[in-house]
Amino acid sequence: GAVVSQHPSWVICKSGTSVKIECRSLDFQATTMFWYRQFPKQSLMLMATSNEGSKATYEQGVEKDKFLINHASLTLSTLTVTSAHPEDSSFYICSARPVAGSAIYEQYFGPGTRLTVT
Amino acid sequence: AQTVTQSQPEMSVQEAETVTLSCTYDTSESDYYLFWYKQPPSRQMILVIRQEAYKQQNATENRFSVNFQKAAKSFSLKISDSQLGDAAMYFCAYDNRDDKIIFGKGTRLHILP
Repeated sequence: GAVVSQHPSWVICKSGTSVKIECRSLDFQATTMFWYRQFPKQSLMLMATSNEGSKATYEQGVEKDKFLINHASLTLSTLTVTSAHPEDSSFYICSARPVAGSAIYEQYFGPGTRLTVT
Repeated sequence: AQTVTQSQPEMSVQEAETVTLSCTYDTSESDYYLFWYKQPPSRQMILVIRQEAYKQQNATENRFSVNFQKAAKSFSLKISDSQLGDAAMYFCAYDNRDDKIIFGKGTRLHILP
């Protein structure tokens, strides 16, 4: 089946530093990738939609200068949390949708990245 | 705007029994997909079952089945012969093929041994 990986799975960083999270589709190509944030015991909150070769579309209330998204290839999207603060601590999940024309229409989710900012 | 509502924050079921999780949604679209995702303690999102709106037949995957009522905009998940491994958060999700999934708030399912 389709596999999406995230790296790192857990990261601790100091306040004011930046951290990059990678999302890779391992056995399929994805024109669209999504980044979610999930607080404990809550649902997934979509942060942005990332399309290969174009700028990401951010949801209302998400700071695009703080959460930088790059979708450089059909198998890789990155989320960079810039100047991280403790309130950015959360669980970040990416998902990927196979390219148009695929027989399967659904998103495949990565295992998530737990970010702790101290 | 489309919305997804899961009215049961938590549910419990005895092992080997059957449980039904409720989900309603609101949309003016006619072509869309509905999903149930499972999120166990590992927090990996796992697709449980998928339903295409144009299909009248309810989807089934082994012990998991749905009751899809398009006119009522209802999409419930039935889990038969509940197992301890079914304990998780379950999210109902709507996708109108416009590249954005809308999730419900989730139902935490406890399995009682």
